Amino acid sequence: ETGVTQSPTHLIKTRGQQVTLRCSSQSGHNTVSWYQQALGQGPQFIFQYYREEENGRGNFPPRFSGLQFPNYSSELNVNALELDDSALYLCASSFHTGDNSPLHFGNGTRLTVT
Amino acid sequence: AQSVAQPEDQVNVAEGNPLTVKCTYSVSGNPYLFWYVQYPNRGLQFLLKYITGDNLVKGSYGFEAEFNKSQTSFHLKKPSALVSDSALYFCAVRPLEYNNDMRFGAGTRLTVKP
Repeated sequence: ETGVTQSPTHLIKTRGQQVTLRCSSQSGHNTVSWYQQALGQGPQFIFQYYREEENGRGNFPPRFSGLQFPNYSSELNVNALELDDSALYLCASSFHTGDNSPLHFGNGTRLTVT
Repeated sequence: AQSVAQPEDQVNVAEGNPLTVKCTYSVSGNPYLFWYVQYPNRGLQFLLKYITGDNLVKGSYGFEAEFNKSQTSFHLKKPSALVSDSALYFCAVRPLEYNNDMRFGAGTRLTVKP
């Protein structure tokens, strides 16, 4: 069973630039969620994708966007980067978008915006 | 708003002693509650969940959690702590308004000393 993998592991960008983060879901999982974890805080929900459609969104501006592909891999895109976007970005997959499905997390991408 | 709170930033215990990491929740209706653990530079790992039924839930690595509806608590426990249990622990709730997000507490850093 292949777990959730994310790339890259670390990334440094300049304010105003754009970034794309990638995630491969655990095999057999069709739902992917993205979270932002700022230093010293718990993860904050960005959005979820199910069957290639956005299936719920947290309190993040439209410059945070995503895609899910037919093989259930996913991307998180952030435009016009701001210093406060510096965080660990976590991808999590689950078998179904059910209420009690536990999330399986990748190790995250550490984004630093300078 | 549906949320969880972790009142302790830090918990220190000696190896071999019992440990408790506290979590209180604020939800309407029946909550879906979770515990996750995060090791340095890693994603979150699922430990256990409460959906319904028995108030004592057993999970991975010898951890268990007790759901207490009258006190709105879901404390994580382990009878005998190991040094390797040292990590960051997150309590989480999946709200019933079904935005598909999972809401995490701010985390509690557990340190087990030899």
